Amino acid sequence: DIQMTQSPSSLSASVGDRVTITCRASQDITTYLAWFQQKPGKVPKLLIYAASTLQSGVPSRFSGSGSGTDFTLTISSLQPEDVATYYCQKHDYVPWTFGQGTKVEIK
Amino acid sequence: EVQLVQSGAEVKKPGESLKITCQGSGYSFTTYYIAWVRQVPGRGLEWMGIFYPADSATRYSPSFQGQVTFSADNSISTAYLQWSSLQASDTAMYFCARRGYRAADNHGMDVWGQGTTVSVSS
Repeated sequence: DIQMTQSPSSLSASVGDRVTITCRASQDITTYLAWFQQKPGKVPKLLIYAASTLQSGVPSRFSGSGSGTDFTLTISSLQPEDVATYYCQKHDYVPWTFGQGTKVEIK
Repeated sequence: EVQLVQSGAEVKKPGESLKITCQGSGYSFTTYYIAWVRQVPGRGLEWMGIFYPADSATRYSPSFQGQVTFSADNSISTAYLQWSSLQASDTAMYFCARRGYRAADNHGMDVWGQGTTVSVSS
């Protein structure tokens, strides 16, 4: 099965900083990569699918890029409400494996 | 409004059986996969598997194969996750989510249920 590896596992940044999270697949998944945001005690929320398509209603400061095995989620200007854990997930063939998560905090 | 509504929290003893529900509304229930996701307290998201209501096709993660059963009643747009014999290690939050079946509708898991907390303790 294809493994999904995120880095870093956690990060701390200042409000207004540009934040980048990476996700690596152990095999080519073309662009079938989604990103989710989960705030403490809340339901995961889809941010991006197909590697770079922004889900409706998601702020434009979030963006995704990549294809094949290497993907990136970027928050262009970190806001206090972005404190959350972010997960990548492959959404092509089963299993639809999640990455282990990246916890984002405000410095 | 498209939504998935899950059944309420459960408190069970080891060895008991359990079936939790996930009811879809606002969309064609049989044209989307239902995925189940486990989250143990303080841990990440684990994909358990999928159920396709149109033909009852099921795929389980190897970690959950033989431990749980997926099913659905299309007449009430409801998917089920069940256990025949719970263990303490099943204590977790369980989410259902949908994903389009057709490639053109594969927009990731775009709608999630609110989650069902399952607590198993003697």
